[in-house]
Amino acid sequence: GAVVSQHPSWVICKSGTSVKIECRSLDFQATTMFWYRQFPKQSLMLMATSNEGSKATYEQGVEKDKFLINHASLTLSTLTVTSAHPEDSSFYICSVIVPIGTEAFFGQGTRLTVV
Amino acid sequence: QKEVEQDPGPLSVPEGAIVSLNCTYSNSAFQYFMWYRQYSRKGPELLMYTYSSGNKEDGRFTAQVDKSSKYISLFIRDSQPSDSATYLCATRMGGTSYGKLTFGQGTILTVHP
Repeated sequence: GAVVSQHPSWVICKSGTSVKIECRSLDFQATTMFWYRQFPKQSLMLMATSNEGSKATYEQGVEKDKFLINHASLTLSTLTVTSAHPEDSSFYICSVIVPIGTEAFFGQGTRLTVV
Repeated sequence: QKEVEQDPGPLSVPEGAIVSLNCTYSNSAFQYFMWYRQYSRKGPELLMYTYSSGNKEDGRFTAQVDKSSKYISLFIRDSQPSDSATYLCATRMGGTSYGKLTFGQGTILTVHP
């Protein structure tokens, strides 16, 4: 399957600070990437679609000013959690679509803990 | 009502058992169906992908889709301790919805030696 790399794997930050998470597509160029969030013992929820060279598309209920997405190149999308609060603590996972295939491959995830 | 319902378990079986995992969905617009395996603190790994109703087999894994009843299943034969993980069913609509997946809650499976 496609190789998707996320960094960092885990991060702890203080409340009120911002955290940036990177998602890289290592095998191919990805014009579209997706960001999901997963709370403990719950399923993945799509947060936003990251589009290379244009604004991200956010799902209903996701604050675009809090979760800033930048997709500046065909292999990198970043998610910045701004002014993080403890309720933002979660597992954040990105995915990419294989150009010829039809399904999504996921990164290893980033566990964010806000203290 | 959630769009995709999945029994979270946990499910515990002995090594060698046949495991049956199931999901139901409510939106008839869903056209593609996937099963992902997720180990603790890792991202989901694609196991099976199906489109039409019927069965699809890959090694010890068989995915089954019944669109008439909106029911999807994953069977694991000769289960191994290394199969212990959370199994997530996922669906999506057709057209340009690539990557926009709706997941079930996930079933925690433990295969004990």
